Amino acid sequence: EVQLLESGGGLVQPGGSLRLSCAASGFTFSSYAMSWVRQAPGKGLEWVSGISGTDDRIYYADSVKGRFTISRDNSKNTLYVQMNSLRAEDTAVYYCAKCSGGTCYFPFDYWGQGTLVTVSS
Amino acid sequence: DIVMTQSPDSLAVSLGERATINCKSSQSVLYSSNNKNYLTWYQQKPGQPPKLLIYWASTRESGVPDRFSGSGSGTDFTLTISSLQAEDVAVYYCQQYYTPPCTFGQGTKLEIK
Repeated sequence: EVQLLESGGGLVQPGGSLRLSCAASGFTFSSYAMSWVRQAPGKGLEWVSGISGTDDRIYYADSVKGRFTISRDNSKNTLYVQMNSLRAEDTAVYYCAKCSGGTCYFPFDYWGQGTLVTVSS
Repeated sequence: DIVMTQSPDSLAVSLGERATINCKSSQSVLYSSNNKNYLTWYQQKPGQPPKLLIYWASTRESGVPDRFSGSGSGTDFTLTISSLQAEDVAVYYCQQYYTPPCTFGQGTKLEIK
């Protein structure tokens, strides 16, 4: 059974940093691209970043480019996103999503339950 | 970036009736080399993560009831629920994965009339 478990969310002040993790199980992690998708309270879905299975291809939304860094450790079956210079508009539930293929050119077939990041003073 | 626009923003349909949600992309998401439309539909119920319903514009994910169907090509797509059930109340999103950033539509809230 595929499982994705996000952690690391919480309350952080504007300008602060946070690192989210997503522990994956139930599939061969290194064979699949992964992404982070966020959802601000009461709003729609926003794709944030994606990384290929072999981490040779990385993509970011313009809204986070230069502030967020996605990475993965295939030996630990874990996806990360390092979030720096956080802003109030980064407040959202952050979902980890598994792509159904090795690159980011596939749909998301599994999602985690999400972790809430709140940026506020 | 490819902009995805859904219509309507909300929809109320009677139980057993047909529900239709439209999605338009600002540029084609049809990849000519494999003739596939890089378009997917997700269902999100309150307090839950999204669930994959349809991919490649018209392929139903395993386990998804056959009352859900997807159609369209190029820039115009449709999600149809042939006979609305109470458990279909949710927000539905289209998304393109033709090119990053993999943009979503704004969502369509489906309710029972």
